[in-house]
Amino acid sequence: GEDVEQSLFLSVREGDSSVINCTYTDSSSTYLYWYKQEPGAGLQLLTYIFSNMDMKQDQRLTVLLNKKDKHLSLRIADTQTGDSAIYFCAERPILTGGGNKLTFGTGTQLKVEL
Amino acid sequence: SAVISQKPSRDICQRGTSLTIQCQVDSQVTMMFWYRQQPGQSLTLIATANQGSEATYESGFVIDKFPISRPNLTFSTLTVSNMSPEDSSIYLCSVVRDREEAFFGQGTRLTVV
Repeated sequence: GEDVEQSLFLSVREGDSSVINCTYTDSSSTYLYWYKQEPGAGLQLLTYIFSNMDMKQDQRLTVLLNKKDKHLSLRIADTQTGDSAIYFCAERPILTGGGNKLTFGTGTQLKVEL
Repeated sequence: SAVISQKPSRDICQRGTSLTIQCQVDSQVTMMFWYRQQPGQSLTLIATANQGSEATYESGFVIDKFPISRPNLTFSTLTVSNMSPEDSSIYLCSVVRDREEAFFGQGTRLTVV
């Protein structure tokens, strides 16, 4: 089955770049997602990438995928205090015959300091 | 992004009672799911809500405890039955659109006392 791992905490200074890392285990074709969860809120989809891609950039967000190592990262440029939240990595393998559930990592608590 | 409305957004319930959570999507979607997020934890899939047939439950979750309805392609309900304090969690509805994007509702924060 799928297993997704993340580091629990990351602290950065405002204006610096943040890099949140994730590793996954599934070897089939898969979508990989990054979500942001602020206190008391639901999950906001930030970006996603399919496993045949190496990189995806969207404004301040850059996703890098190393498929060989099954390593995914989310880089947030010019990190702001409003970026403080929990960031979840999730995997959704594309299976014949259905499935399609997301498996989540533990979440990384990002703290942005002034 | 898909607009997903969940009701209620939060509730405090007595143990032994049941709560039904509604999920309404602004467009037809094939894939709809219910997740649970226990306090301080990550998300765990409860079940896949299948339109016109019984939901598919994950290991550790049973229909008697979490009955699910999916009468059409834009609506689903999850009931948390015979609640105990251990059921205190955030319950989230999720949909997959265009086979790629996976969106979540704002969640229902349930406290059982």
